[in-house]
Amino acid sequence: AQSVAQPEDQVNVAEGNPLTVKCTYSVSGNPYLFWYVQYPNRGLQFLLKYITGDNLVKGSYGFEAEFNKSQTSFHLKKPSALVSDSALYFCAVRDGRNTPLVFGKGTRLSVIA
Amino acid sequence: DGGITQSPKYLFRKEGQNVTLSCEQNLNHDAMYWYRQDPGQGLRLIYYSQIVNDFQKGDIAEGYSVSREKKESFPLTVTSAQKNPTAFYLCASSNELGGLAGHEQFFGPGTRLTVL
Repeated sequence: AQSVAQPEDQVNVAEGNPLTVKCTYSVSGNPYLFWYVQYPNRGLQFLLKYITGDNLVKGSYGFEAEFNKSQTSFHLKKPSALVSDSALYFCAVRDGRNTPLVFGKGTRLSVIA
Repeated sequence: DGGITQSPKYLFRKEGQNVTLSCEQNLNHDAMYWYRQDPGQGLRLIYYSQIVNDFQKGDIAEGYSVSREKKESFPLTVTSAQKNPTAFYLCASSNELGGLAGHEQFFGPGTRLTVL
């Protein structure tokens, strides 16, 4: 069975500092990994994905994520946080065998000016 | 949210009533999904459909029903059997023709359902 863990319910970071939102996963086959962002009372917006290839994936709004197979992690990062990055972030995984995405419970990011 | 519309944005229901949430997409996607979002619980899959006239139960299908008569439409009915229906409901779609798993899902803006 597929599963995703986001170990932090809340991450606080000062504006201009680097940010990391953590995600670990469990799948039986090769993972397909995704990050989404949600602003209040809105749908989810796609940020980036890892399918194959380079372990460092670059996405929208300056975000990037590093796939680490040995640690089964896919942490979301940004070199310099903005107040406008404050939102709810979801990690998701599927094992590519015609199965739906499984989402983590989300991490609320708060960037303080 | 472009390409997927959900209506209404807010919906109020009395206990014992069935209500239907609309989801339409113009992205020509084969697969469509319904999720329920509750605070602190992330997204939980209710139903999904990978092709017209076919759908599968997700993790929390009890008290819900769906239909997929057209490729662009995937309405969700919340029945009176759903014990705690107050939640934020999200519809999504993706291009998964041929079993492709690497395509991201696109989400609608959501419907907030409140039972009075």
